[in-house]
Order: sequence, then C-alpha cells, then structure tokens
Amino acid sequence: KQEVTQIPAALSVPEGENLVLNCSFTDSAIYNLQWFRQDPGKGLTSLLLIQSSQREQTSGRLNASLDKSSGRSTLYIAASQPGDSATYLCAVSLGGYGNKLVFGAGTILRVKS
Amino acid sequence: GAVVSQHPSWVICKSGTSVKIECRSLDFQATTMFWYRQFPKQSLMLMATSNEGSKATYEQGVEKDKFLINHASLTLSTLTVTSAHPEDSSFYICSAPQREGVQYFGPGTRLTVL
Repeated sequence: KQEVTQIPAALSVPEGENLVLNCSFTDSAIYNLQWFRQDPGKGLTSLLLIQSSQREQTSGRLNASLDKSSGRSTLYIAASQPGDSATYLCAVSLGGYGNKLVFGAGTILRVKS
Repeated sequence: GAVVSQHPSWVICKSGTSVKIECRSLDFQATTMFWYRQFPKQSLMLMATSNEGSKATYEQGVEKDKFLINHASLTLSTLTVTSAHPEDSSFYICSAPQREGVQYFGPGTRLTVL
C-alpha cells in the first residue's frame, strides 16, 4: 500500500528565506507526483506536476524535484513571501487517467513579514 | 486551466436530513471523478471514485449506503450524504482528471450538521 509522508508538519520562517519541503513515498512505482497548495477553507491549487520520467519542474519561485528510485520529492520555494503562507500537499498518482491520488498529510507554512 | 465547480460551497442542515453536493467539470468531460473528505488540519481522505455509467467504487471503511454517489453525466457527479449526523460534518472536495495523471479540484463544500 502506497504511503506518502511529508516533513516537516509545520514550518515558520521570516520573509525572504529560501525553504525546502520534503515528501517521501513508499512505492516507487508512481505515474507522477503533484504538489498542491491549499489555503484555509479552500480547495486545492496545483503548483507543479512531475512525471515519473522527469527529475524536476520549475514555476516562478517554485522548483520541485523527484527522485523516484529513493521515493523522495522536494519543493523548493525561493525568496518566500507572506502570501506563500498556506498548507502544501504532496500527492502521487498510481496510474494514468482515472487513477486516484495518494496524499501526504501536508506541511503548514507560515511566512512572517 | 480546467475548472471544476462545487455547489453548494457551504451547507448547514439538521441531523437526520439528507444533503446533496454537486461537482461539475465546466470545460471538459470526465468519465471519472473523485470524492474526498477532509477533517480540520488533516489531509484529504479519498472516499470514492465516481464512474459515469456505472457504480461508484468506495474506499475501505466508507459506507456506500450513507454516501450515495451518482455520476449523472460526463460533467456532473453528485454526493448525497443521507441521514446526516454531526459526525458527518466535514469539508468535502471533488476532483476530476482532465488528462492522464492530472486532476483538477473543486473549491470544496463545508457541511455542518447540527
């Protein structure tokens, strides 16, 4: 059974810091991995999607890497801003269209101004 | 990007009543949709997979008679919480895959059962 773990559970940093969020999964046979952002009481916003054949994806100040063989992914946020404060969720897909996602518990990020 | 909507965004009901939540893919068709439940400060728990034209597939431990799912068309899935009780109060989120491995999530529905 696939299990996804995120570390740390919570993180508080001053504005401007670079930070790394970690995600690990137990079964390396994944189709892809997604990082999501969730604001309180809201749905999920997809940040980055990494296919199993890829090593990393970048979008603006965000960079996500994937090491499938070791079952790890990291989300790097550069020059953090108070607006980055949210819960960040990592999820792995077990297959293509119609296959479910397995989520980690999330990392609650607070960026202090 | 693809858009998934949910209605209502929040609902308050009395214990014993049934509540229907709709999930729509607005600009694409989805033969499969997913329903999640999220407790405060916890991650998403997959409840069931909604399949257009066939029965939903429920995750272990989810009561299919309590959480009725109907995938009425290629753009609409509904979740009905029957005989709701306070312990059913939660945040319910749906998602729909647009293409292989990419899912889009609705904004969620906050259910409060009094």
